[in-house]
Amino acid sequence: ETGVTQSPTHLIKTRGQQVTLRCSSQSGHNTVSWYQQALGQGPQFIFQYYREEENGRGNFPPRFSGLQFPNYSSELNVNALELDDSALYLCASSAAGVSTEAFFGQGTRLTVV
Amino acid sequence: AQSVAQPEDQVNVAEGNPLTVKCTYSVSGNPYLFWYVQYPNRGLQFLLKYITGDNLVKGSYGFEAEFNKSQTSFHLKKPSALVSDSALYFCAVRDGSSGNTGKLIFGQGTTLQVKP
Repeated sequence: ETGVTQSPTHLIKTRGQQVTLRCSSQSGHNTVSWYQQALGQGPQFIFQYYREEENGRGNFPPRFSGLQFPNYSSELNVNALELDDSALYLCASSAAGVSTEAFFGQGTRLTVV
Repeated sequence: AQSVAQPEDQVNVAEGNPLTVKCTYSVSGNPYLFWYVQYPNRGLQFLLKYITGDNLVKGSYGFEAEFNKSQTSFHLKKPSALVSDSALYFCAVRDGSSGNTGKLIFGQGTTLQVKP
């Protein structure tokens, strides 16, 4: 186990609703990244937080937003859910720096109906 | 643009035989390369990484990977496959010129099937 925990593990939402996903990072890690993995695809980078500030963003619309807290845990918020938002959402924590490996949580499976 | 290609959707190998899962990449700066494995309905598990130095990198569970700068490749290998190695494997790259952003670019994944 990586020490990165995500909640909830599964949830079902209706189109147009809002959702919040949570992630607790591994002890000693100050960087959290979020990825979206659609079925049959590789993970796609949503954004990264470093010391409570967004530090890089992928090609996702503004309705995808996040937070990082002083204990380095993080939230991913998605507003106005669309059917295409259905995916596995992965949180990864790491120490700062481009050479450090990221450790992933088990993911949250979001289904939008 | 940064990209990773895993040319094989699936690799089939018999237990005990060597395995190779292929990966090529494209980045503008120095590449930092990673391999991850994913079991059904689970997150990604880190296997190994190449940062600099020796082109042959050893990782978890007997896996290793060979970095080839001229061919921009980072193939995953194992001398003797186990049935339990059957899973989905992802190659990922981080561009060394991206500053402190830890953005990983992933390939599409390769399913490894090891048959008894």
